[in-house]
Amino acid sequence: QKEVEQDPGPLSVPEGAIVSLNCTYSNSAFQYFMWYRQYSRKGPELLMYTYSSGNKEDGRFTAQVDKSSKYISLFIRDSQPSDSATYLCAMMTGGSEKLVFGKGTKLTVNP
Amino acid sequence: GAGVSQSPSNKVTEKGKDVELRCDPISGHTALYWYRQSLGQGLEFLIYFQGNSAPDKSGLPSDRFSAERTGGSVSTLTIQRTQQEDSAVYLCASSFSLARVGTQYFGPGTRLTVL
Repeated sequence: QKEVEQDPGPLSVPEGAIVSLNCTYSNSAFQYFMWYRQYSRKGPELLMYTYSSGNKEDGRFTAQVDKSSKYISLFIRDSQPSDSATYLCAMMTGGSEKLVFGKGTKLTVNP
Repeated sequence: GAGVSQSPSNKVTEKGKDVELRCDPISGHTALYWYRQSLGQGLEFLIYFQGNSAPDKSGLPSDRFSAERTGGSVSTLTIQRTQQEDSAVYLCASSFSLARVGTQYFGPGTRLTVL
């Protein structure tokens, strides 16, 4: 079992839809949870960052972490064609600098 | 402002040849990371440099892979005797050590193709 599991999709939604992206993990030592967005032929860019459990909102984006279920989510409200990209979840234990990534979910938002 | 830069952007080589990939981190960033992104495999950690400390090489897949960081800035990832399975995008990232954990800034990557 990989440390981080993420459905690769692809996921295709109409403009304005609410998008839900998820990852599960097996290592209970993970404390830091990130979502990166990667456009085609570009490097990943940090989108959301959460420490431990809870919710975090930033504009149209909401990140949720449920450590008891080892499950994290990213919600995108009012999705736009410019949100079309691959979304990667990433996690880190305390005291480590190594990010462990999911495989990424490819999202297409159709106008 | 200037982000992380990598060169070359694309590299095609023949099996058995050595390649060098370069990373210029963001100025002032003390931490530097190399990752590999293979088709369908996600990002895989390779090596991590932090200041003058010994690098964390735990992710290097074989002894054909090595990396160095000169003067605490530019880094070079070297792959010797390349194999077809080395074909991937090699990504470099940097971060400021006192920043919040996990805020790594990525370069655009070098796409390596081994024929």
